[in-house]
Amino acid sequence: DADVTQTPRNRITKTGKRIMLECSQTKGHDRMYWYRQDPGLGLRLIYYSFDVKDINKGEISDGYSVSRQAQAKFSLSLESAIPNQTALYFCATRDNNYEQYFGPGTRLTVT
Amino acid sequence: GENVEQHPSTLSVQEGDSAVIKCTYSDSASNYFPWYKQELGKRPQLIIDIRSNVGEKKDQRIAVTLNKTAKHFSLHITETQPEDSAVYFCAAPPPGNNDMRFGAGTRLTVKP
Repeated sequence: DADVTQTPRNRITKTGKRIMLECSQTKGHDRMYWYRQDPGLGLRLIYYSFDVKDINKGEISDGYSVSRQAQAKFSLSLESAIPNQTALYFCATRDNNYEQYFGPGTRLTVT
Repeated sequence: GENVEQHPSTLSVQEGDSAVIKCTYSDSASNYFPWYKQELGKRPQLIIDIRSNVGEKKDQRIAVTLNKTAKHFSLHITETQPEDSAVYFCAAPPPGNNDMRFGAGTRLTVKP
């Protein structure tokens, strides 16, 4: 689904570095989400946003921050990366019928 | 908040057999229950969903059933094929329906 894109697709970084993951969408959806996927733990919500002025914490927001620069853009930052933040990160949007549309994912490795 | 539990974590079936995956949820106010399929290396994609005003929904070989009294819903795949092999996630929205809580996933393997 090219309507939701993420950059970078893969990233290796060192402990303590700041890193930003970016998400863009052309679906025109107001709601955007950042999830983290770990083996055996499913998809866990980090942050979500209803519009540019509305940001909400999810289940596991500690160590992360977000910025909603425009309706189409929602960025996730790790201010000081640590190894247990190694995971697959998905951005998603949601339509008015609750269906979520996921980006292709960013595989992040923190060494 | 909403708590979604999914079972089993892994499931292996022979091609042509049926597969059933079950999820339970904790918030009786939840009213939307989707199932997502994630193939290896790909993003999750919605395959079927059900809303609380119906008990069953079918789409070709897949179906979802909902028991609101018992707070559980199940995914049924009939006549399984190797291409059904994937990880399947159930989900339910917490109060306010503003986000989504996912189960831990079921890895389905269909053996030819």
